[in-house]
Amino acid sequence: QKEVEQDPGPLSVPEGAIVSLNCTYSNSAFQYFMWYRQYSRKGPELLMYTYSSGNKEDGRFTAQVDKSSKYISLFIRDSQPSDSATYLCAMRSSASKIIFGSGTRLSIRP
Amino acid sequence: DAGVIQSPRHEVTEMGQEVTLRCKPISGHNSLFWYRQTMMRGLELLIYFNNNVPIDDSGMPEDRFSAKMPNASFSTLKIQPSEPRDSAVYFCASSLQQGSTEAFFGQGTRLTVV
Repeated sequence: QKEVEQDPGPLSVPEGAIVSLNCTYSNSAFQYFMWYRQYSRKGPELLMYTYSSGNKEDGRFTAQVDKSSKYISLFIRDSQPSDSATYLCAMRSSASKIIFGSGTRLSIRP
Repeated sequence: DAGVIQSPRHEVTEMGQEVTLRCKPISGHNSLFWYRQTMMRGLELLIYFNNNVPIDDSGMPEDRFSAKMPNASFSTLKIQPSEPRDSAVYFCASSLQQGSTEAFFGQGTRLTVV
């Protein structure tokens, strides 16, 4: 079993819809939870990160962590065609390497 | 700063040949990571260095793969001999320090072994 599981998609939604992206994990030592966005033929870029449980909002993006369920989510409100990309969850414990999910390919239809 | 610089951007080579991928991390960053990305396996960490010292190479697939970081501004990932199953996009990333949340990725090297 992988440490981090993520549905690869692809996920296609109409412009303006709310998007929900999710990951589950097995290592209870993970404390830092991140979402990276990767456009086609580019390297991943950090979008948001949270420490431990809770929510964090940044504009149209909300990251949510539920450590009791070992489940993290990224919500995108009012989705735009420019949000079309692959979204990778990532996580680590206090001093360990970053472990990435396999990524969910998202397409926003105009 | 120009960000993490990788070369070449694309590499096509024949099975059995040696391949060397190069990376220049962001100046001042102390940690460097090599990742491999495929459709089947996603983004896998191969090896990472802290202050030029290899810390964890447990992701290196086999002895055909080797990585070096002779100084703070340069790293190489070598595959010898290369095989078709090595075809993937290889990313180099750097971060300020080992425990940093954010890793900055290069543009990647798309390797095709025929």
